[in-house]
Amino acid sequence: AQKITQTQPGMFVQEKEAVTLDCTYDTSDPSYGLFWYKQPSSGEMIFLIYQGSYDQQNATEGRYSLNFQKARKSANLVISASQLGDSAMYFCAMRPSAGGYQKVTFGTGTKLQVIP
Amino acid sequence: NAGVTQTPKFQVLKTGQSMTLQCAQDMNHNSMYWYRQDPGMGLRLIYYSASEGTTDKGEVPNGYNVSRLNKREFSLRLESAAPSQTSVYFCASSERTGQANYGYTFGSGTRLTVV
Repeated sequence: AQKITQTQPGMFVQEKEAVTLDCTYDTSDPSYGLFWYKQPSSGEMIFLIYQGSYDQQNATEGRYSLNFQKARKSANLVISASQLGDSAMYFCAMRPSAGGYQKVTFGTGTKLQVIP
Repeated sequence: NAGVTQTPKFQVLKTGQSMTLQCAQDMNHNSMYWYRQDPGMGLRLIYYSASEGTTDKGEVPNGYNVSRLNKREFSLRLESAAPSQTSVYFCASSERTGQANYGYTFGSGTRLTVV
């Protein structure tokens, strides 16, 4: 069974500062993918970044980077130079890579508030 | 704009009423999903359709039915609504089911209240 744990229900960060949102996971699958989604107050879910378990380098997408530590089973999201528009809920998710349908498991989310 | 369209955005039902949530995607994705989001519980999968013509149960299917009408459309039906089904419902689609690197594209959600 898969499990995603996000231990920070809420976080504050000063505008223009960097912030790390924690995500740990548990799986017995040898190959899997890790995702981060952003949910603004408007409610939509926005895909941010993907990391494969066999990727040699940490994923980056603009101001987002994923700090992947496989041995620790962690996949933290780092947002650099925070902006007011980054205020939102952030969800970590994972799915195995094996064939057929593989369920995506979501964490419970972290609410980030960016302070001017 | 390309993406996933859900209707309605808001709905209030009385206990025992039925309704269908509609979802359509125009990205030619094979797989579609219905999730519910409840406070403190993340997103939980209700039903999914790996490809046109197939549907399967997810984590929390009780009280729901689905129809994959064609490749574009995947509807969720509540036959007899209960207060426990008060939630935000998301439809999502992805290119393929079995490959981990395909993220989901989500609809904007339906906020359903059952009184």
